[in-house]
Parts: sequence; structure tokens; C-alpha cells
Amino acid sequence: NAGVTQTPKFRILKIGQSMTLQCTQDMNHNYMYWYRQDPGMGLKLIYYSVGAGITDKGEVPNGYNVSRSTTEDFPLRLELAAPSQTSVYFCASSYTVGTQYFGPGTRLLVL
Amino acid sequence: TQLLEQSPQFLSIQEGENLTVYCNSSSVFSSLQWYRQEPGEGPVLLVTVVTGGEVKKLKRLTFQFGDARKDSSLHITAAQPGDTGLYLCAGAPYNAGNMLTFGGGTRLMVKP
Repeated sequence: NAGVTQTPKFRILKIGQSMTLQCTQDMNHNYMYWYRQDPGMGLKLIYYSVGAGITDKGEVPNGYNVSRSTTEDFPLRLELAAPSQTSVYFCASSYTVGTQYFGPGTRLLVL
Repeated sequence: TQLLEQSPQFLSIQEGENLTVYCNSSSVFSSLQWYRQEPGEGPVLLVTVVTGGEVKKLKRLTFQFGDARKDSSLHITAAQPGDTGLYLCAGAPYNAGNMLTFGGGTRLMVKP
């Protein structure tokens, strides 16, 4: 099993550009999450999903959108990139309450 | 918002020393997890504690969940350079589905 995979690993965006961060898991987990981690800080939840077709906002959803059309995929969309969105983005999945399995992260720089 | 505060934020010690990292909250959690994150990678689960007062050991790492389920500690005995990393605690609030609240992390550096 590959676990949780994320692409791209690194991206530079100009202010106002848009992009989609991809996340795929092959563990058949119902729950998936997007977090952002600013330098030297913990993780903040952006959006989460409890199953295909169901998504909900986390702590810091502004400026982001998500969709969950399949169990495996949970892409995160940035429509109008802003410098405040410079961060490392982690996708995670879990079967139920308990262990969350994290991807390797996408490092995003908005200039 | 249920907050988890970790202390210290940074810790630099020599190989062989002991250390304790704390994770505190005013809220009660149904369970609490500890993750370790190495540079350029995602967090990896070390342990989950569920019962108030529970103590779990993972080789040289000892984890304790407070009796009131509001706090936790991680003690490392005879730290090694391989223990270097960011340690994150994460609490599962009651009635919050499967969402976790993460602490700000403790960055540990163990010098040889």
C-alpha cells in the first residue's frame, strides 16, 4: 500500500493564481482531512470529509474549497492565492476515531 | 475552540539526557495522541492514550494521560540523536466526530 500520497511536493504561485492540491489514499478510509502547518506551528484543520459526497469546514476554511467524489481522492482547491496561504499542506485519512495517516505534504509558496 | 498547549516549544539537549514534554488543556478529551514529525515529512503516530491515568511505554518513551483527561506528558529516557524531531499532541474532543485538535508542537534537538 502506498498509504496517503500528495502532489505536487512543492509549488510556487503568484498572487491571484489558482491551483489544486491532490490527495489520494488507498486504505479505503472513510475520513479524510486537509491541514495546514505554518513554520514552527502545529496543524490547523482546513476541511474534512466523512465519506464520498460529504465535506465540512474545519478551523480555517476561508480561501479554500474541497470536493470528495470518490473514497480515494480529496483534492483541495485554492482559487485566488494570497501570501497568507504560504504554508505546508498535509492530507490525512483515517478509518474511524483514532490514528490519522498523513501524506508527505505539499509545500506552497505564494509570491 | 478547544486548545492544547505544549511546553516547552523548543528543547535542545545532549545525548543521554532525559526530558519531559507537556500537553495541557482546560478541556476534556476522549483520547489523546502523540505524533512525531521529521523535517519534510508528515506526522507519524507514536501512541494513543484513552483511559484517564493511563501510562504507555514505547521503548525509551513513556506517555501518560492525566487522570482528568485534560493533559498528557511524554518522557524520553536517555535521549538519542534519532529522537530529534517535532512532537505533536492531538486531542479528540467529545462530540467532535473524528476531528483532532493539535497542539503547537515541541521541537526537540538531541546533540551527539
